[in-house]
Amino acid sequence: EAQVTQNPRYLITVTGKKLTVTCSQNMNHEYMSWYRQDPGLGLRQIYYSMNVEVTDKGDVPEGYKVSRKEKRNFPLILESPSPNQTSLYFCASSLGRGDPQYFGPGTRLLVL
Amino acid sequence: EDQVTQSPEALRLQEGESSSLNCSYTVSGLRGLFWYRQDPGKGPEFLFTLYSAGEEKEKERLKATLTKKESFLHITAPKPEDSATYLCAVQAGNTDKLIFGTGTRLQVFP
Repeated sequence: EAQVTQNPRYLITVTGKKLTVTCSQNMNHEYMSWYRQDPGLGLRQIYYSMNVEVTDKGDVPEGYKVSRKEKRNFPLILESPSPNQTSLYFCASSLGRGDPQYFGPGTRLLVL
Repeated sequence: EDQVTQSPEALRLQEGESSSLNCSYTVSGLRGLFWYRQDPGKGPEFLFTLYSAGEEKEKERLKATLTKKESFLHITAPKPEDSATYLCAVQAGNTDKLIFGTGTRLQVFP
């Protein structure tokens, strides 16, 4: 089944404790992206990647890191999480630029 | 600045009562406009892509249209299972970013 998977689905952590949210797609998509979704603000793009080893900032990149060492994986790294990073996070992928993106199930993060 | 605005924020319809959702956008050259459906606690589900003014796409009770400044999602004779948040997103021609509106929360009552 073609899909985007994220892990973990739920995560509670404390300020400053480094964490990684994994994202994987099995559709051989070139483009991958991370979003956060907050009430009243909608979906905002954090980082995106057009291909392996090619990443770029979205609208809200501060406090986040990404890497794209393999085509199928695009992990999101929070080096020192803070409470304002409490949010619902989505990973997405698409065949290429201009193509529709397919979203994962989401990761709900709470930073205490 | 590239921007996407959706209206109304929320819409309550009786089953069978047709209506339209609006997505207004300002971008530097539109590469594509996307409609998504999102159910509570789930990731957005792709519905349509529109690339140029005048284009229309249909799927069951949904029809999406596009002009140079806005897109409409028309819902004909909606059913309770159409209840969801509908998201609009645009990709500008000079960027690889995708910009989302804040969505329209649709509730359809039997």
